[in-house]
Amino acid sequence: SQQGEEDPQALSIQEGENATMNCSYKTSINNLQWYRQNSGRGLVHLILIRSNEREKHSGRLRVTLDTSKKSSSLLITASRAADTASYFCATDAYGNKLVFGAGTILRVKS
Amino acid sequence: DVKVTQSSRYLVKRTGEKVFLECVQDMDHENMFWYRQDPGLGLRLIYFSYDVKMKEKGDIPEGYSVSREKKERFSLILESASTNQTSMYLCASSERTGPQEGYTFGSGTRLTVV
Repeated sequence: SQQGEEDPQALSIQEGENATMNCSYKTSINNLQWYRQNSGRGLVHLILIRSNEREKHSGRLRVTLDTSKKSSSLLITASRAADTASYFCATDAYGNKLVFGAGTILRVKS
Repeated sequence: DVKVTQSSRYLVKRTGEKVFLECVQDMDHENMFWYRQDPGLGLRLIYFSYDVKMKEKGDIPEGYSVSREKKERFSLILESASTNQTSMYLCASSERTGPQEGYTFGSGTRLTVV
């Protein structure tokens, strides 16, 4: 069962621009996480935001969480060609396991 | 760094074969997970385990079984492979607090059943 749904499905931008990806979910959550996947490899954990947090930063990443709208966004600032990957949100809905969305494919053109 | 190692990157098997996908983690994590990933469907949980010899069904367990005889190893078994099990299989592990911290994934096994 998919809990998180990312939007857009695909995004193409120029190097140096900012990339914004959104995630919506359906049930109450303990936390929401973002992962990155390069070209059919495994997923890498990027950042976790807890339900009582509204915003979190990590390097060029900024994540927001709006629990009233059941949505989150991931902003990558000053994007680089190396940021080209698929990005997934995953929700921990108090069930001891994560539920992943279908992902956003980001392409950064140099 | 935690390492999760999946034994094969690519695998081609015939319909009806019994297939074993192996996953080993080296950081004494309690929790281990098997997901499959298909285009447009994201990651779907097949089975997970919180401890040795313990297993729980995920969202799509049909056609699969698992084995966890040792804490570091979690095996996914396709009893009789079918073409609709062609997919990318991802193993992950986490500490007991699991979803509260984040998962570490292996590099994946791309399985093709012909």
